[in-house]
Amino acid sequence: DAGITQSPRHKVTETGTPVTLRCHQTENHRYMYWYRQDPGHGLRLIHYSYGVKDTDKGEVSDGYSVSRSKTEDFLLTLESATSSQTSVYFCAISIEGMAFFGQGTRLTVV
Amino acid sequence: AQSVSQHNHHVILSEAASLELGCNYSYGGTVNLFWYVQYPGQHLQLLLKYFSGDPLVKGIKGFEAEFIKSKFSFNLRKPSVQWSDTAEYFCAVKVLGGGNKLTFGTGTQLKVEL
Repeated sequence: DAGITQSPRHKVTETGTPVTLRCHQTENHRYMYWYRQDPGHGLRLIHYSYGVKDTDKGEVSDGYSVSRSKTEDFLLTLESATSSQTSVYFCAISIEGMAFFGQGTRLTVV
Repeated sequence: AQSVSQHNHHVILSEAASLELGCNYSYGGTVNLFWYVQYPGQHLQLLLKYFSGDPLVKGIKGFEAEFIKSKFSFNLRKPSVQWSDTAEYFCAVKVLGGGNKLTFGTGTQLKVEL
């Protein structure tokens, strides 16, 4: 257990509403990541962070923003949710070069 | 940008059969390589990793993988699969000096039949 907690675990939201997903870690690791998992696409990197207030885009960052005001929390925001953002979202941290994942958040946009 | 290819999308095997899942990556520089497993309804868990040294690496649950640099490959093997190995398997690559990011393949769904 890498001490990663994602919340909420499940969410249904309407198109056009803002949504924030939270990733919390307990061990002050520097690198944190947000991935989305979709059938046929594997995991794709949305955004990542390499320190407090240090973030960068991944390969599928359009429509998403992130914030990291504290080492332990990495927030992913969908400013205006769309049906194409229905997915399972995984947070990960890097420990000694290896990624460890949270339990995931299943988001459905209706 | 680097990419990772997993050629087998769905594999069905009988218990005790041998397994080999292919993984190829596109980057020509120094990489770290990983295999992750995702059991139904769960998150990804690390099976094994290659950083450097012996190109044959052993992981948990009897899995192993061989890094062949000349072929840009990192295939996953298990000599005898069990029903409990039914899961989705993901290959991933990290380019050293590339921001500590993992790029994943699209995954291989393995079903092991009794």
